[in-house]
Amino acid sequence: AQSVTQPDIHITVSEGASLELRCNYSYGATPYLFWYVQSPGQGLQLLLKYFSGDTLVQGIKGFEAEFKRSQSSFNLRKPSVHWSDAAEYFCAVGGQTGANNLFFGTGTRLTVIP
Amino acid sequence: EPEVTQTPSHQVTQMGQEVILRCVPISNHLYFYWYRQILGQKVEFLVSFYNNEISEKSEIFDDQFSVERPDGSNFTLKIRSTKLEDSAMYFCASSMVRESTGELFFGEGSRLTVL
Repeated sequence: AQSVTQPDIHITVSEGASLELRCNYSYGATPYLFWYVQSPGQGLQLLLKYFSGDTLVQGIKGFEAEFKRSQSSFNLRKPSVHWSDAAEYFCAVGGQTGANNLFFGTGTRLTVIP
Repeated sequence: EPEVTQTPSHQVTQMGQEVILRCVPISNHLYFYWYRQILGQKVEFLVSFYNNEISEKSEIFDDQFSVERPDGSNFTLKIRSTKLEDSAMYFCASSMVRESTGELFFGEGSRLTVL
């Protein structure tokens, strides 16, 4: 069965610092992997996705993520964090044949300090 | 930019009462979903809906839950007799295609508090 683990509940970084949010997944076949962001008062917004091909994927807002099959990971990165990046970040896995639902992690809350 | 809208943003209800959460999906989308997130827990899949019927549902989606698309725009989640453990944020989502791509567009959520 699919599952997603986000080990970090809360991360605090300084504005301008680099960021890496961890995500580990469990899935029997090639996963479809996603990162969503939820800003305060907003819905979940898709940042980026991985289906196949290049394991380094680029997303919106300057984010990228790297799929590492050997580590069952799909970590999200950003080289320089902006104050507006403060939000909740969710990793999700999908792709079960015939299904279109997602399995989410518990989320990582990002705080950005000046 | 098209978006999924949900109402109410927050509802407080007494245990045992019926609750209806409403969603307006993106107009040309064909697949509709409800997810929920209990505070501090994962976002969990409840149900997907296509062509006026449920296409998938999770174990959470028991007989107390129902979904409906009463007209061409609204997609509703009804909880017949709420329990304390139904307190959660409920997210509606929609997508254009099914193809396991999971490209879902989510609303802002409806927070349900059951007292």
